Amino acid sequence: DARVTQTPRHKVTEMGQEVTMRCQPILGHNTVFWYRQTMMQGLELLAYFRNRAPLDDSGMPKDRFSAEMPDATLATLKIQPSEPRDSAVYFCASGATGEQYFGPGTRLTVT
Amino acid sequence: AQSVTQPDIHITVSEGASLELRCNYSYGATPYLFWYVQSPGQGLQLLLKYFSGDTLVQGIKGFEAEFKRSQSSFNLRKPSVHWSDAAEYFCAVGITTNFGNEKLTFGTGTRLTIIP
Repeated sequence: DARVTQTPRHKVTEMGQEVTMRCQPILGHNTVFWYRQTMMQGLELLAYFRNRAPLDDSGMPKDRFSAEMPDATLATLKIQPSEPRDSAVYFCASGATGEQYFGPGTRLTVT
Repeated sequence: AQSVTQPDIHITVSEGASLELRCNYSYGATPYLFWYVQSPGQGLQLLLKYFSGDTLVQGIKGFEAEFKRSQSSFNLRKPSVHWSDAAEYFCAVGITTNFGNEKLTFGTGTRLTIIP
């Protein structure tokens, strides 16, 4: 049963600290997405990659967020420095034919 | 710009009763439409999708949805709900980009509560 995996599942950190979230997409999927979910804004697309190349990161605050795919099995989302307003659930999703399959998410709390 | 509207924030249904969740979309081209379900503390799970062809699509867990172009709607239905169907349901429209049909715009979700 192929699944998207994300680590860590929960992260509590202090304001100003660096946060790195990791995602392993489903093997064979060539498109990877990062979303953020909050009560106020709902699901927001932050960035997405195809064949490891960034296609669109217009949803990300550029000054503090960065997303990369070092290889086909790993996508990372980094926040530096973190702020309390970054508290949210961050989802990774992967796909190949228009459908997207979501990971379980990383719940980030910035104090 | 594309958008998805789920007019019902919260719906309560008795177990065994039928269910219909509404979804309206706005998109200039042929839409690719999806329904996802999210249980508490979980990621989103794909229930069903419409790409083309038959406008009535079947999904997992006994769900179906009907695409009505004239009404710009893609409502989700289930004839008899089970307590395990309690969750948040999201409708989404897939957007055609230069790289394919990839980006999704999600509605705000409908929370479904099941009462015994």
